[in-house]
Order: sequence, then C-alpha cells, then structure tokens
Amino acid sequence: GENVEQHPSTLSVQEGDSAVIKCTYSDSASNYFPWYKQELGKRPQLIIDIRSNVGEKKDQRIAVTLNKTAKHFSLHITETQPEDSAVYFCAAGRRALTFGSGTRLQVQP
Amino acid sequence: EAGVAQSPRYKIIEKRQSVAFWCNPISGHATLYWYQQILGQGPKLLIQFQNNGVVDDSQLPKDRFSAERLKGVDSTLKIQPAKLEDSAVYLCASSPTGGGGAGELFFGEGSRLTVL
Repeated sequence: GENVEQHPSTLSVQEGDSAVIKCTYSDSASNYFPWYKQELGKRPQLIIDIRSNVGEKKDQRIAVTLNKTAKHFSLHITETQPEDSAVYFCAAGRRALTFGSGTRLQVQP
Repeated sequence: EAGVAQSPRYKIIEKRQSVAFWCNPISGHATLYWYQQILGQGPKLLIQFQNNGVVDDSQLPKDRFSAERLKGVDSTLKIQPAKLEDSAVYLCASSPTGGGGAGELFFGEGSRLTVL
C-alpha cells in the first residue's frame, strides 16, 4: 500500500516569512495529492490539491509542487500570518488517501 | 449545503465494552470513509465504501471493528470489545467522486473515543 512521509514535524516561522513542508510517497500509481489544515479540535479542511498531470498549482499565498519522478510534493506558504498556525497534513492516493504524520506550523507575530 | 454529520461527539467507555458511531454523509456523495486519528498523528483509513459496497477494508481490525453502510447513505462503525489503544478521534468523510477514485474529502467533526 501507499506510504507517505512528511517533514518537518514542527515548524516555527516569523510572521511574513515563508514556510515549506515536504512529503514523499511510495506508490507510483497515486494520482491525487491534497493538503489539509487542521486547527486544534477541528476537522481537517482542504486548502489545496494537485493531480499527477500538473506540476504546480497556486492559490493566493499557497502553492503546491509535485515531482512525480522523485515521488515528492511540497506545500509553500508565503507571507505567513498568525492565523496560518495549525497542523498541516499531506496525503496521497489513487482511490483512498493515505495521510502523512502532520506538521505543526507556528507563526510568531 | 449540510456537511457530514457524526454522533456522538464524545464517548467514554471502559475497556472490553462496545461502542457505535454514526455518520450521515453529504447528500449525493457516493463514497464514504472512516478514518481513525490518534492524538498527534495523521488520519489512518479504516474502511472505504462506494455506495453500499466495501472498496477497501484492509486496515480495519476485523476481530473487533465492524462497519456497514445502510442503503448507500448512513454508516455505522462499531468497536467490540474496545481496547485502550482504540482511544482516538473517529472521522467520517465523504466524497462526491464516482468510480472510487480519490478526490476531495469532506470531514465530519469526528467522534472522540476515550477507553479507560
């Protein structure tokens, strides 16, 4: 089955800086790669996703890049704000999604 | 549009007791998932339904966990008997994607289980 590894487990940045979270996956058949944000005690919510026929996707301050050859994808958040503080999960799959272990992002004001 | 509904939100039981969780997905969503999220970890897939058929239950501990999806809509997840390591949040999610392909998951608020 699919195996997703996510790094770093914690990330602390100053407000306005950029944050990058990286994931690798094992199953070359995976074709869907979403990123979810989970605030404390809340449900995970999709923030951006990418399919395997696209190399990069951007939505305002958030971007995701995918390297199918190397089987890794990354989340980039620019101009971070305190409200970006949360746990971020990457996921990969073809039918069901396998999630990474999460990155706790803390944005210091 | 109503979201994914789950109940109960919280449940505390003794080990070896049983518990059941209920999920009502977003109307029209064919695919339903149950995930287990242990504190500090990512969600782990337990079972995937496409309409009322099971697509993937390879990670469901079938000696104690069972799940069904009635008439392709509501679903229940049961644990009997519970163990301490079953303490987790049980997340139900639904997806509009047909054919069982991966797509955006819409999660419910989750059911937090504590086993004492």
